[in-house]
Amino acid sequence: DQQVKQNSPSLSVQEGRISILNCDYTNSMFDYFLWYKKYPAEGPTFLISISSIKDKNEDGRFTVFLNKSAKHLSLHIVPSQPGDSAVYFCAASATGAGSYQLTFGKGTKLSVIP
Amino acid sequence: NAGVTQTPKFQVLKTGQSMTLQCAQDMNHNSMYWYRQDPGMGLRLIYYSASEGTTDKGEVPNGYNVSRLNKREFSLRLESAAPSQTSVYFCASRDRDRPFYEQYFGPGTRLTVT
Repeated sequence: DQQVKQNSPSLSVQEGRISILNCDYTNSMFDYFLWYKKYPAEGPTFLISISSIKDKNEDGRFTVFLNKSAKHLSLHIVPSQPGDSAVYFCAASATGAGSYQLTFGKGTKLSVIP
Repeated sequence: NAGVTQTPKFQVLKTGQSMTLQCAQDMNHNSMYWYRQDPGMGLRLIYYSASEGTTDKGEVPNGYNVSRLNKREFSLRLESAAPSQTSVYFCASRDRDRPFYEQYFGPGTRLTVT
């Protein structure tokens, strides 16, 4: 039973346009959400996070939106750049879960076309 | 700071052989984690260690053992490797026992079991 779902395996966007990556979750106990970015042959790197007490968090070109009632979050990248081409993982954590272990989605491969 | 380091980077084993994957972090983090990533599967937690001297099972612990040697080092052992353990293994560490501290990942070990 997948608790964190990223239903789009891939996404292609033109350089300069907006990229929107989506993530759904089923576990109501999740109260903290993170996005990680992964380049080939490297480990994932933290991108941005959001607590369940907020509905939006912004960091430069990256914004994460959280809709708790729909159990849905999205990552917006504006404007998209070729260097943003990578696999993006959505992850969730629950307060009190063993050392705040993360549950990951399967990832979305973003390709930004110059 | 080297961050999280993993050795080896690549390894080929025959079925039934054993090996230990090494992980070390120099950020004085309390918690450490082992994940595996399979194509189309995202990252799945194998084992974690909330603090020195403690270890707990994650989502997919079968066929693995771990040792938290000290605060810096967390090793993953395959006693009798199987082809199903062919994967990329990532080690991660985390600073504090609070939800808003992200995990930092190593570069990964690519393991092939023939």
